[in-house]
Amino acid sequence: AQTVTQSQPEMSVQEAETVTLSCTYDTSESDYYLFWYKQPPSRQMILVIRQEAYKQQNATENRFSVNFQKAAKSFSLKISDSQLGDAAMYFCAYRSFTGANSKLTFGKGITLSVRP
Amino acid sequence: KAGVTQTPRYLIKTRGQQVTLSCSPISGHRSVSWYQQTPGQGLQFLFEYFSETQRNKGNFPGRFSGRQFSNSRSEMNVSTLELGDSALYLCASSKNSGGSGGYGYTFGSGTRLTVV
Repeated sequence: AQTVTQSQPEMSVQEAETVTLSCTYDTSESDYYLFWYKQPPSRQMILVIRQEAYKQQNATENRFSVNFQKAAKSFSLKISDSQLGDAAMYFCAYRSFTGANSKLTFGKGITLSVRP
Repeated sequence: KAGVTQTPRYLIKTRGQQVTLSCSPISGHRSVSWYQQTPGQGLQFLFEYFSETQRNKGNFPGRFSGRQFSNSRSEMNVSTLELGDSALYLCASSKNSGGSGGYGYTFGSGTRLTVV
């Protein structure tokens, strides 16, 4: 079974600074997807960024980028130029490549606060 | 385009009662997945429905059940409620089973269930 670990329960960053959120996972599969989701107080999970394991290039979405290290099974999220609206819980998630096992496996999440 | 709609947003039930939660996916989406979110266990997969058929099921007791209608709307039912069933229940929709090839899911804002 796959597991996702987010070892830091909380992090804080100064507005306009850069912060990196860590995530490690365990799987015996070679093809899979990885995601970062954001959950603000509105409770809705919002997709921040996704990465296909077969792609070596790290995904980037505006101020958000990932550092995907497949051999180390590490998938960290870097937020540049942090904004007050980035304050939320962030979840790392794994999904098998094959549709037969279609569920998302989430880490415990990390609460990010942004200091003005 | 309307998002994923979950009703009701809040619910208080008494131990031993049963409850039904509703999820209307994005128009054109045929897959609906359900997740339970608690502070202790985090986000856990309940089940996925695609074209009215259950495609995948998590490790929850039989008191948790669901169904999907021909218009893709889904309901989940919990019978004989226990205090430990208090949680945020999130549903997520996607075009195809398994998150549309890695493009992830669109989540609703959840139903907060409190069992007293």
